[in-house]
Amino acid sequence: AQKITQTQPGMFVQEKEAVTLDCTYDTSDPSYGLFWYKQPSSGEMIFLIYQGSYDQQNATEGRYSLNFQKARKSANLVISASQLGDSAMYFCAMRELGWISNFGNEKLTFGTGTRLTIIP
Amino acid sequence: EAQVTQNPRYLITVTGKKLTVTCSQNMNHEYMSWYRQDPGLGLRQIYYSMNVEVTDKGDVPEGYKVSRKEKRNFPLILESPSPNQTSLYFCASTTPGMYNEQFFGPGTRLTVL
Repeated sequence: AQKITQTQPGMFVQEKEAVTLDCTYDTSDPSYGLFWYKQPSSGEMIFLIYQGSYDQQNATEGRYSLNFQKARKSANLVISASQLGDSAMYFCAMRELGWISNFGNEKLTFGTGTRLTIIP
Repeated sequence: EAQVTQNPRYLITVTGKKLTVTCSQNMNHEYMSWYRQDPGLGLRQIYYSMNVEVTDKGDVPEGYKVSRKEKRNFPLILESPSPNQTSLYFCASTTPGMYNEQFFGPGTRLTVL
């Protein structure tokens, strides 16, 4: 089973509109972290936002917020007031603490990504 | 400036010709890792290192080697590259801990003919 699922291969959104990128995850580990990264056409991976499994409040970082619904195992990224520069590939990733299976490995498990295109 | 550097950024080579992709970080991070990115598959971990002289396999280690002789450097070695290793490679580093982001290098685009 996929550990991270991003069901939207591509999205087109009008500039200045809000956009939600979907991410669902699967883990039996009670301790985990969820990350979103942006990959523009230049190729680098840019960290956007983080949510811990024990965090009570949804994470926010400027125009980015994370809609964390633990019971549904979803961690959707919301971008408010989209800009042309938001056009990029977006990846959701999970870090499981997994003391037995993952001890010492800070591995991020990535989804397949969503390509977001902002239309002027 | 805190950063992870990789070299080369682009490489075209032929099957069987040994190559090394270097990775260096200036943040004194204990943990370093290599990922490969392929269309439709996201990023997958190749190898990781918890500290100097401590390395282990990730999810897709076949055909790759690594070494960690110094804390700042974590080279990726392809002893006999094959076309199925054509990919975009990323090096990453972090300080161990649930809440710490991983810093990624700029990526190395490798083509094996």
